[in-house]
Amino acid sequence: GNSVTQMEGPVTLSEEAFLTINCTYTATGYPSLFWYVQYPGEGLQLLLKATKADDKGSNKGFEATYRKETTSFHLEKGSVQVSDSAVYFCALSSISGGYNKLIFGAGTRLAVHP
Amino acid sequence: NAGVTQTPKFQVLKTGQSMTLQCAQDMNHEYMSWYRQDPGMGLRLIHYSVGAGITDQGEVPNGYNVSRSTTEDFPLRLLSAAPSQTSVYFCASSTGLAGGRETQYFGPGTRLLVL
Repeated sequence: GNSVTQMEGPVTLSEEAFLTINCTYTATGYPSLFWYVQYPGEGLQLLLKATKADDKGSNKGFEATYRKETTSFHLEKGSVQVSDSAVYFCALSSISGGYNKLIFGAGTRLAVHP
Repeated sequence: NAGVTQTPKFQVLKTGQSMTLQCAQDMNHEYMSWYRQDPGMGLRLIHYSVGAGITDQGEVPNGYNVSRSTTEDFPLRLLSAAPSQTSVYFCASSTGLAGGRETQYFGPGTRLLVL
């Protein structure tokens, strides 16, 4: 079945460091891929998405490229800020019973220190 | 727009009690769903609805009921709470019009503790 695997956290970085959070997926067909972010005490919100191979999603300085050949969608940011501290979820869309559900990875907690 | 709202924010139940988690959205979205979030497991789909009067089961439906009488509301009922249902519950909605490419909008969550 479809699944998402992302690197375990927590990831602890100093401000202005480079961030990579790895995400790989298993899926039939060509799913859309997403990164959602959950700030402390809040629900999930979309960070970025890519809907076909080689697409690059970007938002708030974060980027991820849909790599079909390596089945990956790694999240990167060149210079993290304290305000980026959150839990990041990689997800793919999967059609089941006519419904486009999301299949999530386990989440990666990021802590950025000044 | 308030987006997706959930009540209550936090609830403590005793084993065997029942309760309803409320979810409402004001974006006129057809698709709504309930997920539970457990440590190390990401979010798992409990039930979903593709429109008023239409619901179906997700990955982990046991112990939960849903109904969808209006486009706006999608309550989740715990019939007889068990400690294994201790979790954070998120409601989400989307247009359902983009073949899986659309964004899902999440509520702030309900934290449930079953003793």
